[in-house]
Parts: sequence; structure tokens; C-alpha cells
Amino acid sequence: EDKVVQSPLSLVVHEGDTVTLNCSYEVTNFRSLLWYKQEKKAPTFLFMLTSSGIEKKSGRLSSILDKKELFSILNITATQTGDSAIYLCAAQLDSNYQLIWGAGTKLIIKP
Amino acid sequence: SAVISQKPSRDICQRGTSLTIQCQVDSQVTMMFWYRQQPGQSLTLIATANQGSEATYESGFVIDKFPISRPNLTFSTLTVSNMSPEDSSIYLCSGSGQGAQYFGPGTRLTVL
Repeated sequence: EDKVVQSPLSLVVHEGDTVTLNCSYEVTNFRSLLWYKQEKKAPTFLFMLTSSGIEKKSGRLSSILDKKELFSILNITATQTGDSAIYLCAAQLDSNYQLIWGAGTKLIIKP
Repeated sequence: SAVISQKPSRDICQRGTSLTIQCQVDSQVTMMFWYRQQPGQSLTLIATANQGSEATYESGFVIDKFPISRPNLTFSTLTVSNMSPEDSSIYLCSGSGQGAQYFGPGTRLTVL
């Protein structure tokens, strides 16, 4: 059965800290790994990772994929209170572009 | 990135009634999907909306309860039929083009 596991499930840090969120996956017919930030209703797209070892960066956020070990990490440096959210990762299937979702990591940044 | 609009943004409905949610994307996407997210849970795929044909439903979801239309590449509707309080949830449409999947702002549905 296809599955995606995120850890930790929740994390509380202070502003300015660096955090690393983990996502492991076991899916057949894997295409890519996607990261989202969800604050209120809709998930906001962050990254799509298709190739191993190539880091993607956007400001203080970065992510990388390891297709051999079947995991990805999302790093956030110099965290701010606005980074508080649920971070979701999802494995995309090659056959039909469907997403297999992890349960999410709830990140709380304390001022 | 695709911009996806969805309406209504929220609604409060009576048991037994139906609500239709509309989703519009601003660019042609290959795939469109409908999700449900119940409080405290991750997203659950309801169905893949297929242009000009019947949607492909996931296990646990049926066409009679969640009829979906996609008359063209950029527009789709989801109807939640004969609603009960258990249907209270956030409903999200998404579009996928060239891999990345983008979400509409969501519809928060409360059924009394």
C-alpha cells in the first residue's frame, strides 16, 4: 500500500531557530515529491522535487529529495512567526498525477 | 503557476439540501481534482474530474452523493447532495499542469 510518513507530527521552536521537517515515502509508480504549507484552508505550493540530490530553494526555505532512501526534507532557516503552519508533503504518482498525502507537521514558532 | 478560484468560499446549509461548488482555473491544466478535508485531518481525494466524461471516484465516494462535471478544461463543479452534518468539511479543488498541483482557496461547508 502506498504511504507517506511525516515527522515530527508537531514541533514548537522559537523565532530565529532552524527547523528540519522529514518526509518518507513508499509508493509504486513514483513521479515526484511535493511540499505544501497550509495555514487556513488551502495548501500553498512550495516545492516539487523530481530528481535526487538537487536542492530547491525559496528564500529561507529549501528542500531536497533522496530517491534511493525514499525521503525528503524541508528546511526553514531563521524562522519567523509567519512560518507557523501545517507543512504537508505528498508523493505524486506517475500514472495519474494523484497525490498520496502525509499527515502533516504542525509547526509553531514562538516569538 | 495556475491561479484557481473557487466559490462559494463558505456556506451554511440545512440537512437534506444540496450545494454546488464551482472551480475555475486561469490556465489550461491537464488534470483537475476534488478533495475533502475534515477537521484535524489531511486531504482526502474525492475524485478526478475528467473533461467531458464521468469523473473517476475514489473508494468511499459515489457519483450519486458527489456528482462532478467538467464541461471544459478550465471549469469544474462538485455537488454535495442530500447533505448531512457529517458532510461538514472543507472542499478543495486542484489543478495539475506539468506536474505541480495547485489548490483553490477552498469552500468551508457547515451542515446543520
